[in-house]
Amino acid sequence: GESVGLHLPTLSVQEGDNSIINCAYSNSASDYFIWYKQESGKGPQFIIDIRSNMDKRQGQRVTVLLNKTVKHLSLQIAATQPGDSAVYFCAEHSPGGNAGNMLTFGGGTRLMVKP
Amino acid sequence: KAGVTQTPRYLIKTRGQQVTLSCSPISGHRSVSWYQQTPGQGLQFLFEYFSETQRNKGNFPGRFSGRQFSNSRSEMNVSTLELGDSALYLCASSLGQSTQYFGPGTRLTVL
Repeated sequence: GESVGLHLPTLSVQEGDNSIINCAYSNSASDYFIWYKQESGKGPQFIIDIRSNMDKRQGQRVTVLLNKTVKHLSLQIAATQPGDSAVYFCAEHSPGGNAGNMLTFGGGTRLMVKP
Repeated sequence: KAGVTQTPRYLIKTRGQQVTLSCSPISGHRSVSWYQQTPGQGLQFLFEYFSETQRNKGNFPGRFSGRQFSNSRSEMNVSTLELGDSALYLCASSLGQSTQYFGPGTRLTVL
């Protein structure tokens, strides 16, 4: 899920196929991770989250996998639909001195679903 | 339950002016965080307020400030606007130290 400016990595999939979006995170002390979906002109929309003491969590059509050994997170979308086309961001929460709520976001991956 | 709302949705200002953006969190949420989103830098944390106190601050100059009211509504202010402040400003609310839910953002254009 790394990106440079406007040149977001793009994943193009066929409708009905499964999608896998990857993300590398930076802080081994991060205690939970969130995936967001952002459609054009809208704010990020929560998809699914996972605590650092888990390695897998499933939602409706989505699964998040966490590999703490290599600091890697992935989002799997089953039976991808045109409505899934958006930019996907991973975010990590690192516990701060004030027990704050700061999230650090990855650069995003653009998912394009071909009908 | 109504989501996070932000006003205004769009704003055009000129360099040197100041701007105030408003955010109303989800009912019951006491934490409000602000983020700046630009094509070049992505989503960057500005600051977080909880129970009217700034709990965390990102790496932005002092021209960026905020506050939170007793009803958890929050405002952020940017003074002496620069061209580089053009961005989508996002507000997110949460119960405390939990998943954040975002508003639609305020698109600020500085001319």
